[in-house]
Amino acid sequence: EPEVTQTPSHQVTQMGQEVILRCVPISNHLYFYWYRQILGQKVEFLVSFYNNEISEKSEIFDDQFSVERPDGSNFTLKIRSTKLEDSAMYFCASSVTPLAGVVKTQYFGPGTRLLVL
Amino acid sequence: KNQVEQSPQSLIILEGKNCTLQCNYTVSPFSNLRWYKQDTGRGPVSLTIMTFSENTKSNGRYTATLDADTKQSSLHITASQLSDSASYICVVSGANDYKLSFGAGTTVTVRA
Repeated sequence: EPEVTQTPSHQVTQMGQEVILRCVPISNHLYFYWYRQILGQKVEFLVSFYNNEISEKSEIFDDQFSVERPDGSNFTLKIRSTKLEDSAMYFCASSVTPLAGVVKTQYFGPGTRLLVL
Repeated sequence: KNQVEQSPQSLIILEGKNCTLQCNYTVSPFSNLRWYKQDTGRGPVSLTIMTFSENTKSNGRYTATLDADTKQSSLHITASQLSDSASYICVVSGANDYKLSFGAGTTVTVRA
C-alpha cells in the first residue's frame, strides 16, 4: 500500500540554525500539508500546498517557515532560524483532493521529531 | 475560532471490554468529521470519515456516529484489544478551507 515517507526521522539542531524536513507524498496525490505536534499537545495545522503554491496557512506559519516542491516527488518544509519552541514532531500529509469539497482520506507520514537545543 | 473538544482525556479498559469516546465541535460550516488513531510516536491513521449526511460509519471494531445538528460525534470500540491502546483524535474539516481542526485526543489504554 502506498504511503507518505518522511526524512529524517529525528533531527537535532542548534537554535538559530536552518533545518529542512523532507517528505515524499503518495505519488498520485495533488494536495500536501504540514502539521506539527508539540510533545503532549494536539496536532496543529501549518500549511497546505497545491499546484506549487500555498493554499492556506495558519498563524503559526510565519516568515521563518517556507515550503517547496523542488521536484515531482519531494515536498519540503524549511525553518530558517530555529527557535527552542520549534521543537516538535512534524507530520507531512497528502490527499488526492482538497479537504473542502469531495471527501477523501488524508494520509500522514510517520513524522520527523525535531529537537532544537 | 473553530474548536474540537474531546472527552474523556484518557481512559483505561480491560481487554475485551467496550468503550465510547466523545467529540464536540463548533466548526461551521461543517464538511466532514474524521476519527484518527495515533500510536505513540507515529503519524495519525484514518479510521472513519463522515459527512453531515452520515449518521454512522464502521471500520471493523470501530463505529463512529455523528449528529450534525448537535455537533457531536462518538467513537465506539467493541471488544477492545491490546493493540487498541493509542490516542484517538477527532478531526473536523470546515466546508470552506483546506485545514483540519484537531481535538486533543483521548488516550485509551487497554490492559490484559
